[in-house]
Amino acid sequence: GAGVSQSPSNKVTEKGKDVELRCDPISGHTALYWYRQSLGQGLEFLIYFQGNSAPDKSGLPSDRFSAERTGGSVSTLTIQRTQQEDSAVYLCASSPSGPGGRGYTFGSGTRLTVV
Amino acid sequence: GEDVEQSLFLSVREGDSSVINCTYTDSSSTYLYWYKQEPGAGLQLLTYIFSNMDMKQDQRLTVLLNKKDKHLSLRIADTQTGDSAIYFCAETDVDSSYKLIFGSGTRLLVRP
Repeated sequence: GAGVSQSPSNKVTEKGKDVELRCDPISGHTALYWYRQSLGQGLEFLIYFQGNSAPDKSGLPSDRFSAERTGGSVSTLTIQRTQQEDSAVYLCASSPSGPGGRGYTFGSGTRLTVV
Repeated sequence: GEDVEQSLFLSVREGDSSVINCTYTDSSSTYLYWYKQEPGAGLQLLTYIFSNMDMKQDQRLTVLLNKKDKHLSLRIADTQTGDSAIYFCAETDVDSSYKLIFGSGTRLLVRP
């Protein structure tokens, strides 16, 4: 697609429920990233995909968080048994390979609210 | 580990210049970036500078890099109300070149 698309744009969920966040990167971009932006904070790295594999998952906060990518394209970030501290904006980005001189292209994010 | 620091808030009058500052810790960073985030939107890449450069100019934007002091600045000339947003500084992680380390962002408010 023309840009990075994320869905849903907003999600309100009850504590303890599972949620799935979707990212559709720019066509042809092999690298895909998930970041989390909490209120008043910078961006926290979660996970990096190169193709379908995730060589760096070091930013996932706990084992309740997981992500996959299929077909070298769409990625899903899953949060199980959501907690209130999971409330944040989850941003997906993609790049042709690494960021290089063009950096990342970000989606508009999914605002997750856990009540 | 790497850390990127920015001041939280800047207020300027329309037509004035804005200067947003950033300090970073990793002198080996290859690229440094400025991103802009408008309300409810993702981050938009404004400009970047390669680490062997001191200055880069792009229309109303001027980026200055002082590697000795690990200081990066973004100057916006003739600031407009549409420039009101949060501006993030970011550096590449030297150990993981695919990863960007972001500051907490500077909220720029442009007063009419």
